[in-house]
Amino acid sequence: GQQVMQIPQYQHVQEGEDFTTYCNSSTTLSNIQWYKQRPGGHPVFLIQLVKSGEVKKQKRLTFQFGEAKKNSSLHITATQTTDVGTYFCAVPNSNSGYALNFGKGTSLLVTP
Amino acid sequence: GAGVSQSPSNKVTEKGKDVELRCDPISGHTALYWYRQSLGQGLEFLIYFQGNSAPDKSGLPSDRFSAERTGGSVSTLTIQRTQQEDSAVYLCASSHGTLRGYTFGSGTRLTVV
Repeated sequence: GQQVMQIPQYQHVQEGEDFTTYCNSSTTLSNIQWYKQRPGGHPVFLIQLVKSGEVKKQKRLTFQFGEAKKNSSLHITATQTTDVGTYFCAVPNSNSGYALNFGKGTSLLVTP
Repeated sequence: GAGVSQSPSNKVTEKGKDVELRCDPISGHTALYWYRQSLGQGLEFLIYFQGNSAPDKSGLPSDRFSAERTGGSVSTLTIQRTQQEDSAVYLCASSHGTLRGYTFGSGTRLTVV
């Protein structure tokens, strides 16, 4: 299936700093989804991007889908301790057709 | 129900025993997925059910793993002759159709001793 590289693997920031995680694919993606998993919790769906160059915002979170639909980013402005967790991107599994392949995630730690 | 329900939440089993994990998806969600997550790792796709279609079993790691979905609702993941490397959190998710965001359950933490 389609694989995605997610970077960085870990990020440690001071509260109030910005944070960005990137997801890169070698092939064109039909869509990409982003999930957040709090420590000890389960993944929670954040957003789906479908269109080339799409930008969506959710409060302090900004999601982008690249023009070539091969990469995506999640940017958090002015991080808060509640942003702690692992952020995963997920892309369609070409073998399965409909299931998703998840990236390895970026673990964000925010210190007050 | 209001969310995806999984049971048990924790399971400790002896190596070689069989285990059954249950998932009750959100009512009306036609798609159901099983993933597993090893400690500190990403999510590994196992199996996918869509409506009454034949399941996609392409992610099952061995023939010791099987799953069924009865009546298009509740699903059971069975692991036979468990091994220590089967220890992980098994996550079930459902979605309203394909290419939609998943709603995950809280998972079953399986420990094989």
